[in-house]
Amino acid sequence: KNEVEQSPQNLTAQEGEFITINCSYSVGISALHWLQQHPGGGIVSLFMLSSGKKKHGRLIATINIQEKHSSLHITASHPRDSAVYICAVGTYNTDKLIFGTGTRLQVFP
Amino acid sequence: DAGVTQSPTHLIKTRGQQVTLRCSPKSGHDTVSWYQQALGQGPQFIFQYYEEEERQRGNFPDRFSGHQFPNYSSELNVNALLLGDSALYLCASSLLYGQGVYEQYFGPGTRLTVT
Repeated sequence: KNEVEQSPQNLTAQEGEFITINCSYSVGISALHWLQQHPGGGIVSLFMLSSGKKKHGRLIATINIQEKHSSLHITASHPRDSAVYICAVGTYNTDKLIFGTGTRLQVFP
Repeated sequence: DAGVTQSPTHLIKTRGQQVTLRCSPKSGHDTVSWYQQALGQGPQFIFQYYEEEERQRGNFPDRFSGHQFPNYSSELNVNALLLGDSALYLCASSLLYGQGVYEQYFGPGTRLTVT
């Protein structure tokens, strides 16, 4: 069993829909990262959080430390949001990240 | 601030050859980590360099080696290339943010194709 699990693996949506991507982890963490990767591209960090909730534009990330679970929400989705979204965790006092396998999102107009 | 930069962006090599990939960290960052991302998979940790020494290593063979220079830039070397080494190689630089949490930035990656 992977230490970081994401669901769903693939997601399609119509423009304007509300999207949720989930991440569960089995290790103790210092922080959880949500990352975005466009096809063939490098990785962009969206959020780093260790508690509560963060919002940036149409993106919202939440984390429940007790349940070892995090969600990434996209409100009013747009075709330019189409990408792979990756959850990664950092364990305490190390900057090595453990990655989930990603969620491929396609938003159609 | 240019962020994390990597070179080259794309590379094609033949089985058995050797390759060197380069990474310059974000200004102020002193630690560089390398990850391998095979097609359709999440990145896998290769190793990490801090103060010019390998501090942590993932489950990769000795064919994978690295180096960090005094200016914190880093190289990843892969010897005796195999077809399975074809992947996107990502570099991340980091800085202790506080309370054991590290701020991390990723480079655009180097796409290596082994034929």
